[in-house]
Amino acid sequence: EAGVTQFPSHSVIEKGQTVTLRCDPISGHDNLYWYRRVMGKEIKFLLHFVKESKQDESGMPNNRFLAERTGGTYSTLKVQPAELEDSGVYFCASSLGGVGEKLFFGSGTQLSVL
Amino acid sequence: LAKTTQPISMDSYEGQEVNITCSHNNIATNDYITWYQQFPSQGPRFIIQGYKTKVTNEVASLFIPADRKSSTLSLPRVSLSDTAVYYCLVALYSSASKIIFGSGTRLSIRP
Repeated sequence: EAGVTQFPSHSVIEKGQTVTLRCDPISGHDNLYWYRRVMGKEIKFLLHFVKESKQDESGMPNNRFLAERTGGTYSTLKVQPAELEDSGVYFCASSLGGVGEKLFFGSGTQLSVL
Repeated sequence: LAKTTQPISMDSYEGQEVNITCSHNNIATNDYITWYQQFPSQGPRFIIQGYKTKVTNEVASLFIPADRKSSTLSLPRVSLSDTAVYYCLVALYSSASKIIFGSGTRLSIRP
């Protein structure tokens, strides 16, 4: 069974540019989550999809971040325009059940904004 | 929000049993306790989850006392490959935003 796949694994961009991160969850997992860890800090929740609907987006830092999950399959997280403080590792996770159920994480996307 | 407190780091040797304790004094009735393991350059990986008493799987055991204000992850006979960061989470089943990873415990296993 394929795990959660994230692309790209690394991205280096300049301040003001746009970056789109992609996450392919495990097939059949309706729940998809985005998390991130910025330098030296803890892993923080960003948002939660149930199928194509945003169930909880309370962790999104500001309106420069846009997450979508068209058709309830893969998800994208766009940062536009990127700022220096957006640098960090962005993780995607999926689960078969709802909140509190076992999460399957991808390996993350290391984003560096210069 | 139910926050957790764990030791920042621990050291042990191959073949030893390692116990990592987590405090969660504000745990709510509906909260479960979940542990994840994370290796460098990888996402966290689920280890074990429990509500009360003891849970055991092929990887670890989880001990939860009656008051549920703490829990202990027990790793039997650790090997070098168990070197990782271990996170204790108190998972509220109603809201993903209330699941807090915390700082984790950096476990180092020596030969």
